[in-house]
Amino acid sequence: DVKVTQSSRYLVKRTGEKVFLECVQDMDHENMFWYRQDPGLGLRLIYFSYDVKMKEKGDIPEGYSVSREKKERFSLILESASTNQTSMYLCASKTALSSYNSPLHFGNGTRLTVT
Amino acid sequence: QKEVEQDPGPLSVPEGAIVSLNCTYSNSAFQYFMWYRQYSRKGPELLMYTYSSGNKEDGRFTAQVDKSSKYISLFIRDSQPSDSATYLCATTIIQGAQKLVFGQGTRLTINP
Repeated sequence: DVKVTQSSRYLVKRTGEKVFLECVQDMDHENMFWYRQDPGLGLRLIYFSYDVKMKEKGDIPEGYSVSREKKERFSLILESASTNQTSMYLCASKTALSSYNSPLHFGNGTRLTVT
Repeated sequence: QKEVEQDPGPLSVPEGAIVSLNCTYSNSAFQYFMWYRQYSRKGPELLMYTYSSGNKEDGRFTAQVDKSSKYISLFIRDSQPSDSATYLCATTIIQGAQKLVFGQGTRLTINP
């Protein structure tokens, strides 16, 4: 089974802090994603990466950056945390193969609170 | 207007009931449709995947797509308390595409 592990289940940070959210996958997937999940808004894509050191902006990249130095690890960085970044953050991975049924595999999320 | 609209609920039904979860979408280019299930404190996991208009059945679950009206549904027969979760519809244009568009998710509770 694919395992996507997010390093923290809960985080509480102060406004202005630099925050790192870490994600590791163990299935050698090429593609990795960061989503945030908010009530009434669903899942929104922040950034994704299709290869080491490669990244692409998703729908809501403002205020975030990412790092992918190794294939199995994808980090989300909040350069200066703000209260409107309080949310559930979900990491996912996916094979690059365009097969009929190649789903996203999600981690269990990191609930970030910025005070 | 969101590309995919889903009634967020919450929806609460008694055990054994038939559940209908629905999404509408605006972009006729969407070709592939998925339902993800998310249990409390867990990440979403793929439940069903369908391409063509019509029905696809998997046990107690049926996914239905009507491309003419841009409407997708998930039916759950003989609902069980273990079906209590948030259900998210998702769609994409290209098979295996990296970017999915998700609905808002519907929180479902099955009461014993």
